[in-house]
Amino acid sequence: GAGVSQSPSNKVTEKGKDVELRCDPISGHTALYWYRQRLGQGLEFLIYFQGNSAPDKSGLPSDRFSAERTGESVSTLTIQRTQQEDSAVYLCASRGGPGELFFGEGSRLTVL
Amino acid sequence: QKEVEQDPGPLSVPEGAIVSLNCTYSNSAFQYFMWYRQYSRKGPELLMYTYSSGNKEDGRFTAQVDKSSKYISLFIRDSQPSDSATYLCAMRKTSYDKVIFGPGTSLSVIP
Repeated sequence: GAGVSQSPSNKVTEKGKDVELRCDPISGHTALYWYRQRLGQGLEFLIYFQGNSAPDKSGLPSDRFSAERTGESVSTLTIQRTQQEDSAVYLCASRGGPGELFFGEGSRLTVL
Repeated sequence: QKEVEQDPGPLSVPEGAIVSLNCTYSNSAFQYFMWYRQYSRKGPELLMYTYSSGNKEDGRFTAQVDKSSKYISLFIRDSQPSDSATYLCAMRKTSYDKVIFGPGTSLSVIP
């Protein structure tokens, strides 16, 4: 596709369940970012993949959060044993060079 | 202290007004500065991208960076109702570093 694609667009889960969120970046983009945006808040940095370098995981809030990326393609953000405070929109962005980030529409997660 | 601070608003202005949005930051290593616009339930989209200090103009939008004061601004001239959105400043240290966002300012332009 032409843009960053995220799935699912909406996910409702029960507290304690694991969830996986997927991001398909723009083809050829070497950099991929995950952010969390709570209601009415700004973007909270989670993790950053750049080519074959080790990912910058400095924003992951706890060891329940993990992310993987296969080469320069799809990335998956996994949240284990979800808590109510994990409810947020999870945004993925990709970048092809030193320029702008292109964002997906986000995955809205609700933990009951 | 957060790395990037921004007045959350909400800011409400009449159509045609000049809007000034601002961010301050604490890390002098930031060199690349961006402004993003986010409509409700959408992903952010880039408005302006600048490197180091100075001004950059694009249509009705002007971005200013003052690195000595660690202060960046976005001016919107002749504001339109379609400008109603949340405006997020963002910055990073190097070309390939992570991007840190401010908390965003909610703007409403009233017809």
